[in-house]
Amino acid sequence: QKEVEQNSGPLSVPEGAIASLNCTYSDRGSQSFFWYRQYSGKSPELIMFIYSNGDKEDGRFTAQLNKASQYVSLLIRDSQPSDSATYLCAVNFEAAGNKLTFGGGTRVLVKP
Amino acid sequence: DAGVIQSPRHEVTEMGQEVTLRCKPISGHDYLFWYRQTMMRGLELLIYFNNNVPIDDSGMPEDRFSAKMPNASFSTLKIQPSEPRDSAVYFCASTRTMGTEAFFGQGTRLTVV
Repeated sequence: QKEVEQNSGPLSVPEGAIASLNCTYSDRGSQSFFWYRQYSGKSPELIMFIYSNGDKEDGRFTAQLNKASQYVSLLIRDSQPSDSATYLCAVNFEAAGNKLTFGGGTRVLVKP
Repeated sequence: DAGVIQSPRHEVTEMGQEVTLRCKPISGHDYLFWYRQTMMRGLELLIYFNNNVPIDDSGMPEDRFSAKMPNASFSTLKIQPSEPRDSAVYFCASTRTMGTEAFFGQGTRLTVV
């Protein structure tokens, strides 16, 4: 079992709709959670981080964390064509010495 | 700060040759990570350092791969001998402390022919 798992997609979303991305992780003690966006041919860049259970909103993005169920999700509201990218979930397994591990990524396509 | 700096940006080499990738982390960052990205396997953690000390190298695929961090501002990833299956984009990233944002370099696209 991979430590961090994501559906590879592609997730096709019409412009203006909500894109919902999910990520599950193995239980390795306390963790920090991150969502990165990666455009084709570019390096990953941070969108959001979340440390506590519940929701965290930043503009059109909302991260949701449920440690009991071991999943973290990302919602993109009012999706724009410029949101088309691969979204990477990352987990910092602090109990394993701060091992920052990424999922395989979900490719999102926003269609005008 | 100029961010994480990697060199070279592109490298094409023949099978069997030695390849050295370089990384300069952001000043003041305590952690440095080396990742490899391919279409098939995604972004894989190869090795990471804390205060120049290797913490976990379990992701290094074979003995052909080695990494060093002689000081806080420089790290290398070496492949000797290189093989075609090593072709990938190699990223270096650094973080200030544990559990904080990782900043990535632009990556090195390695092609082994």
